[in-house]
Amino acid sequence: SQQGEEDPQALSIQEGENATMNCSYKTSINNLQWYRQNSGRGLVHLILIRSNEREKHSGRLRVTLDTSKKSSSLLITASRAADTASYFCATDASGANSKLTFGKGITLSVRP
Amino acid sequence: NAGVMQNPRHLVRRRGQEARLRCSPMKGHSHVYWYRQLPEEGLKFMVYLQKENIIDESGMPKERFSAEFPKEGPSILRIQQVVRGDSAAYFCASTGLAGGSYEQYFGPGTRLTVT
Repeated sequence: SQQGEEDPQALSIQEGENATMNCSYKTSINNLQWYRQNSGRGLVHLILIRSNEREKHSGRLRVTLDTSKKSSSLLITASRAADTASYFCATDASGANSKLTFGKGITLSVRP
Repeated sequence: NAGVMQNPRHLVRRRGQEARLRCSPMKGHSHVYWYRQLPEEGLKFMVYLQKENIIDESGMPKERFSAEFPKEGPSILRIQQVVRGDSAAYFCASTGLAGGSYEQYFGPGTRLTVT
């Protein structure tokens, strides 16, 4: 069964706007990670948030985690055309040998 | 400081042939994970290995797929008698330590096409 489920599935915004992407999961986790994938390329690690953390920042990225709701959000502020990519959340479930479970991803398009 | 390396980047095989995908983890990393990504899908876990040991192969198909991570050399994902449904991107990731809360660093992937 799918652990991470992102929404929306696709998001189109204007350059300079903020983009908010959400992820929900089903089981207890050790941590949650967000990755970016440009078309036809590998995954780039963006940010990791541990289960005992509620919010984390990295540059233009802000991630929140609500373990009571089993959900996370990724906010990209002041988006740029170069942010156009697919974004995935991945969870490391407790006791699961650190294997990651990915959602299907969100396709973000930033219009110049 | 080389990252995770995978080769080949693209591999074309005819049905029935064997595919060998290689992954060299980041320097100092001894934990390797293999994932498969079908078109328009997220990544699906296949297998987790440490040097000379398979720790978790719960995501591996029961037949035709095998993986190893020898004491020396890269990790190998081997697919025997490939079928069209094996066409996908295969990614490996490595970490330096086991357990939760460690980032997994991904390689660029091998895109397998079965004709």
